[in-house]
Amino acid sequence: AQKVTQAQTEISVVEKEDVTLDCVYETRDTTYYLFWYKQPPSGELVFLIRRNSFDEQNEISGRYSWNFQKSTSSFNFTITASQVVDSAVYFCALSASQGAQKLVFGQGTRLTINP
Amino acid sequence: DTAVSQTPKYLVTQMGNDKSIKCEQNLGHDTMYWYKQDSKKFLKIMFSYNNKELIINETVPNRFSPKSPDKAHLNLHINSLELGDSAVYFCASSRGYRTNEKLFFGSGTQLSVL
Repeated sequence: AQKVTQAQTEISVVEKEDVTLDCVYETRDTTYYLFWYKQPPSGELVFLIRRNSFDEQNEISGRYSWNFQKSTSSFNFTITASQVVDSAVYFCALSASQGAQKLVFGQGTRLTINP
Repeated sequence: DTAVSQTPKYLVTQMGNDKSIKCEQNLGHDTMYWYKQDSKKFLKIMFSYNNKELIINETVPNRFSPKSPDKAHLNLHINSLELGDSAVYFCASSRGYRTNEKLFFGSGTQLSVL
C-alpha cells in the first residue's frame, strides 16, 4: 500500500523567509512517481512538479526547489524568499507504477505567508 | 477558456435528495477523474474513466454513480444524499491513464447536505 505523510499541518512565516515543506512517502514499488500540487484560497489544485523514482536530481524552478532523497523516502519542497502569493495548501502525492493513475495524497500543509 | 470546468460550484441540499455534478474538459484528454476532499482537506480518488470506460472504482457507496457520455465529460450523480457526503468534489483530467500523468483539476464543487 502507498502512503504519504506531510507532518506539518500548518506553517506560518514572514514574507521573504525561506520555508521547507516536508513529505515522506511509503511504497513497495520500485517505480513510482511523486507530485506536488498547490491549492490556493480560490480552491483549484494546480500541478507544480512530477518526479519519477529513478531521477533523484534536485529541481529548481525560480523560487521553488525540490529535494528528492530515496534513502529517506522524502520529497521536500522549499520556497525561497517567500511571498504572500505563496499562501496556499500544498499537497504531496504518490502514484505507483502498476495499473492506472491513482494519486495518493498527503494530508496537506497549509502555508501562510505574512506581510 | 477554463480547461476543466465543473458545475455547480456550490450545491446545498437536503438529506435524501438526489443531485448531479457536471464536469467538462476542453484539453482533449482521454482520462477523467472524480476526487473527494473532506473537511480536513484529505483528498481521495473515487472514480476514473478512460475514453468513456470506467477504469478505477474505489470503495464508494453505490449511491454514487459516474457517467461519461463522451471523453470530454464526466458527471457524478448522487442518490439519497447523506450528511457524510458533504465535501468538495473535484473533477480532473489527464492525457492518459498511466501513473506518471499529471492531473488538471477543476475548481471543485462544494456540496453541503443539511
